[in-house]
Amino acid sequence: QKEVEQDPGPLSVPEGAIVSLNCTYSNSAFQYFMWYRQYSRKGPELLMYTYSSGNKEDGRFTAQVDKSSKYISLFIRDSQPSDSATYLCAMSDGAAGNKLTFGGGTRVLVKP
Amino acid sequence: DAGVTQSPTHLIKTRGQQVTLRCSPKSGHDTVSWYQQALGQGPQFIFQYYEEEERQRGNFPDRFSGHQFPNYSSELNVNALLLGDSALYLCASSSSGTGEYFGPGTRLTVT
Repeated sequence: QKEVEQDPGPLSVPEGAIVSLNCTYSNSAFQYFMWYRQYSRKGPELLMYTYSSGNKEDGRFTAQVDKSSKYISLFIRDSQPSDSATYLCAMSDGAAGNKLTFGGGTRVLVKP
Repeated sequence: DAGVTQSPTHLIKTRGQQVTLRCSPKSGHDTVSWYQQALGQGPQFIFQYYEEEERQRGNFPDRFSGHQFPNYSSELNVNALLLGDSALYLCASSSSGTGEYFGPGTRLTVT
């Protein structure tokens, strides 16, 4: 079983809808949680960076972390066709260094 | 503000050859990590360099080695290339309290 599980999708939504993404993990030592967006054949782009449990909002993006359930979520409001990409969750235990453990990514398609 | 840069963009090598990939971190960052991303999968951690020393290493064979220079730039070297080494190689930089910022990657094809 992988340390970080993520539904590969694809997740198809109409423009303007809310996109809901999530990851589950097994390592209780993880403390830092990130979401990345990756367009085809490009490097991942950092969207959200959170520490421990709670919510964080940045524009159209909201990240939620529930450490008791080992479950994290990303919500994208008012989705646009330009949001079509693969979304990767990543996490680290915060020990010396920032080694990230990634989920496999969820492919999202926002249809006009 | 220049982000993370990597070179070359694409590379084609033959089995058994050696390859060197290069990375310049984002301004103000002192830590460089390397990841391998196979098609359709999430990136896998190779190793991390801080203060010119390898600080952490993932589950990759010794054929994978690296170096960090005093200006924080880094190289990834892979010896005795295998077909399975074909992937997107990503460099990421960070500093204390920041997330990892990734470069555009180098796409390596081994034939």
